[in-house]
Amino acid sequence: SQKIEQNSEALNIQEGKTATLTCNYTNYSPAYLQWYRQDPGRGPVFLLLIRENEKEKRKERLKVTFDTTLKQSLFHITASQPADSATYLCALFSGAGSYQLTFGKGTKLSVIP
Amino acid sequence: DGGITQSPKYLFRKEGQNVTLSCEQNLNHDAMYWYRQDPGQGLRLIYYSQIVNDFQKGDIAEGYSVSREKKESFPLTVTSAQKNPTAFYLCASTGDRLYGYTFGSGTRLTVV
Repeated sequence: SQKIEQNSEALNIQEGKTATLTCNYTNYSPAYLQWYRQDPGRGPVFLLLIRENEKEKRKERLKVTFDTTLKQSLFHITASQPADSATYLCALFSGAGSYQLTFGKGTKLSVIP
Repeated sequence: DGGITQSPKYLFRKEGQNVTLSCEQNLNHDAMYWYRQDPGQGLRLIYYSQIVNDFQKGDIAEGYSVSREKKESFPLTVTSAQKNPTAFYLCASTGDRLYGYTFGSGTRLTVV
C-alpha cells in the first residue's frame, strides 16, 4: 500500500541552527512533492512544491531536496527562529493526473531560543 | 482578499444529530476538498470535487455527505451514521495543483 512517513514526530533545535525534516514514501511514483506548514488550530499553509526532475528548490531560508531513487525528500530551514516552530507536513498526489493529495502525519518542530 | 471561509469555528453535535459544516471560497478554484484531522493521524481525505455537480469519495467517506451546487461552495454534512465525528475538519481548494492547496481555518466538531 502507499505510505508517506515523516520520520520524526517531534524535533527540537536551538535557534540559529539548521532544521532538517525527512519525508519518505513507498509505492508512489510522484511527479511532485509538496511541503506545508501548520500552526496549532489552523489550516496548513502551502510552502513549496518540488518536481521529480528538480533535485533542489529554495525559497528564502527554506530548501527542499527530492531524491526519487531513495524515495525521500528533505526539508531544511536555515538560521531557524522561534517563529519557525510549527508542524510541517509533506504531501504527495496519489497518482499521475490525480487531484487526491495524501499527507504525512507531520513533524512538530520546536526552535528553542 | 481571496480565501476560504469555514464556519462555524466550533460546533457541538448531540448524539444522533446531523450537522452541516460550511465551506466557501472566492478564489475561483475548480477543485475543493474536505479533510479530517485527528491527533496523531494526520489529514485524511473525506470527499473531493473537481467540478460543480460532481464529487468523489475519499478514504473515509462513510458517515459523511457533500454537495457541490455552486463553484464557490462545498458543504459537508456529518450524519448520525458517523460514529466518531469528534475531530478538526479542514476544507481546501486548488485551481492548479502545482500551486498547492489553500486551506480554510477549520471547524472543530465535538459530540456532546
